[in-house]
Amino acid sequence: ELKVEQNPLFLSMQEGKNYTIYCNYSTTSDRLYWYRQDPGKSLESLFVLLSNGAVKQEGRLMASLDTKARLSTLHITAAVHDLSATYFCAGPLDLGAGNMLTFGGGTRLMVKP
Amino acid sequence: NAGVTQTPKFQVLKTGQSMTLQCAQDMNHNSMYWYRQDPGMGLRLIYYSASEGTTDKGEVPNGYNVSRLNKREFSLRLESAAPSQTSVYFCASRGGRGWNSPLHFGNGTRLTVT
Repeated sequence: ELKVEQNPLFLSMQEGKNYTIYCNYSTTSDRLYWYRQDPGKSLESLFVLLSNGAVKQEGRLMASLDTKARLSTLHITAAVHDLSATYFCAGPLDLGAGNMLTFGGGTRLMVKP
Repeated sequence: NAGVTQTPKFQVLKTGQSMTLQCAQDMNHNSMYWYRQDPGMGLRLIYYSASEGTTDKGEVPNGYNVSRLNKREFSLRLESAAPSQTSVYFCASRGGRGWNSPLHFGNGTRLTVT
């Protein structure tokens, strides 16, 4: 079974700074997903990464996938307060259950003025 | 465009009571999911349904049953609620070929078992 670990679990940063959230996973997977959750709300999809070397960008967020290192990163550029949320990465639970996703524990991001 | 609709939004149960959480999607998706989220934690998969009439256990299925009534609806039943089942429950659906599409989540059901 795939295990997904995120770090840091909590990140407090100032507006305008850059930072990276890391998502390590335990077994071979060629796809990885990122979600955002605002407090008390549901989850919304940010990125779907489907191959080694995949890179996707939306605004100040950029996600990448390195399947050989079993690592995905979510890079934040020039953070703004609106990016404050919890970010989750997720991957297929196991090779035979590609449609079942397992989630990391989340990274709670607080962006301070 | 409703997307994924969950009912109820909130529920309080006493230990031993039963209830069914309802979920419906209007996106014509084949795959549907039930997750639970405990405070400060990620989501854990309870059950999954690839299509009408099929269900599979996820990471934490004990204490739950599911029913995929038709393509639109996927319900989660707690037969005898326990305090350990206090959680926020999210239903999700997924379309396309599955692996190349994201999950679409409902707004969640906050369940408290006393």
